[in-house]
Amino acid sequence: GAVVSQHPSRVICKSGTSVKIECRSLDFQATTMFWYRQFPKQSLMLMATSNEGSKATYEQGVEKDKFLINHASLTLSTLTVTSAHPEDSSFYICSAAGTVEGEYNSPLHFGNGTRLTVT
Amino acid sequence: DAKTTQPPSMDCAEGRAANLPCNHSTISGNEYVYWYRQIHSQGPQYIIHGLKNNETNEMASLIITEDRKSSTLILPHATLRDTAVYYCIVKGTNAGKSTFGDGTTLTVKP
Repeated sequence: GAVVSQHPSRVICKSGTSVKIECRSLDFQATTMFWYRQFPKQSLMLMATSNEGSKATYEQGVEKDKFLINHASLTLSTLTVTSAHPEDSSFYICSAAGTVEGEYNSPLHFGNGTRLTVT
Repeated sequence: DAKTTQPPSMDCAEGRAANLPCNHSTISGNEYVYWYRQIHSQGPQYIIHGLKNNETNEMASLIITEDRKSSTLILPHATLRDTAVYYCIVKGTNAGKSTFGDGTTLTVKP
């Protein structure tokens, strides 16, 4: 089945520093990737949609200059949290949509998430 | 994409069938119903999806009503490892974003 690898799984950083999270589709080409954020005991909240080779589309209320998304290839998207603050501490999850089976209705495949703690 | 409504929580006895309902009364003709689950501190896992016919795979069965306004995910023999939050999502095109509601927390008890 389709595999999405997300790295790192856990990161602790100091306030003011930047953190990069990678999301790779290992066995399929991901034309579109999505980034979510999840706070404790809450559902996933979509942050942005990234398409290979174009600028990401951010959801309302998500600062594009703080959460930099790059989708430079069909297998890799990165999320960089710039100038991180304690309130950015959260569980970040990526997902990828591709055409694994050649069907336009292929399901999303998710990474295992990155637990970010900003001290 | 259509909004979905799910009960916040359900319990199920180990070995019994777990039936998780989802209402999606505003679903449009080209939108599929997808089910995912999230075990604590992991990324969501795809379970099953369908358009209008009932579907079955090695994990579960999906029953969609004839008017497509609701569906039921069936785990035929629930195990303790099936304890998770289950999300029902409706989505059209492959590139369309998936919006997650609050899901149903299923607790399988011994």
